[in-house]
Amino acid sequence: DAGVTQSPTHLIKTRGQQVTLRCSPKSGHDTVSWYQQALGQGPQFIFQYYEEEERQRGNFPDRFSGHQFPNYSSELNVNALLLGDSALYLCASSLAAPNTRDRDHEQYFGPGTRLTVT
Amino acid sequence: AQSVTQPDIHITVSEGASLELRCNYSYGATPYLFWYVQSPGQGLQLLLKYFSGDTLVQGIKGFEAEFKRSQSSFNLRKPSVHWSDAAEYFCAVGAPRSGGSYIPTFGRGTSLIVHP
Repeated sequence: DAGVTQSPTHLIKTRGQQVTLRCSPKSGHDTVSWYQQALGQGPQFIFQYYEEEERQRGNFPDRFSGHQFPNYSSELNVNALLLGDSALYLCASSLAAPNTRDRDHEQYFGPGTRLTVT
Repeated sequence: AQSVTQPDIHITVSEGASLELRCNYSYGATPYLFWYVQSPGQGLQLLLKYFSGDTLVQGIKGFEAEFKRSQSSFNLRKPSVHWSDAAEYFCAVGAPRSGGSYIPTFGRGTSLIVHP
């Protein structure tokens, strides 16, 4: 049973460029959340996708956008990259309607994509 | 809005010694509470969680945490630390939403260093 996978592992971009990060959720999960983790900080919630729609959003500008596909995988897009966007981007998947025998709504995290903006 | 404070940026312990990592939260009602561990270059792994009921929660890898409502705390403990426990530890709080879902708000983390 594959867990949450993310690609690429590392990425280097230049200021002003655009980037797309990808996430495949854990098998059986239908909800994907994205987090930004700056160096020395805890993860900060960007947004969450369910049924191909953005369900909730954190305090991030519109330069950050996302998409969820029918197979529940997701993309995070960041436009007009700034130096401050350099961070580890984490994807987490969960089940919107959990089986009560399982870990209710637990979010399973992927290994992350390390984005460096120069 | 909820928030989490982890007052210790670094904690150093000797292998075999006991461990307590502190976590204080701010939230108007009883929140969901979590502890995650992150090893270098890895994602986050859930150690334990509190949703309701017994305030002493047992987790994986021999960790436990106690929810103290009067102190707004959820401290993580382990009786005997192993060298492999060296990692970054994050406390998180989640506001319960309809259907039981939540979005966790994380603290800044505590880096655990284990001396042989």
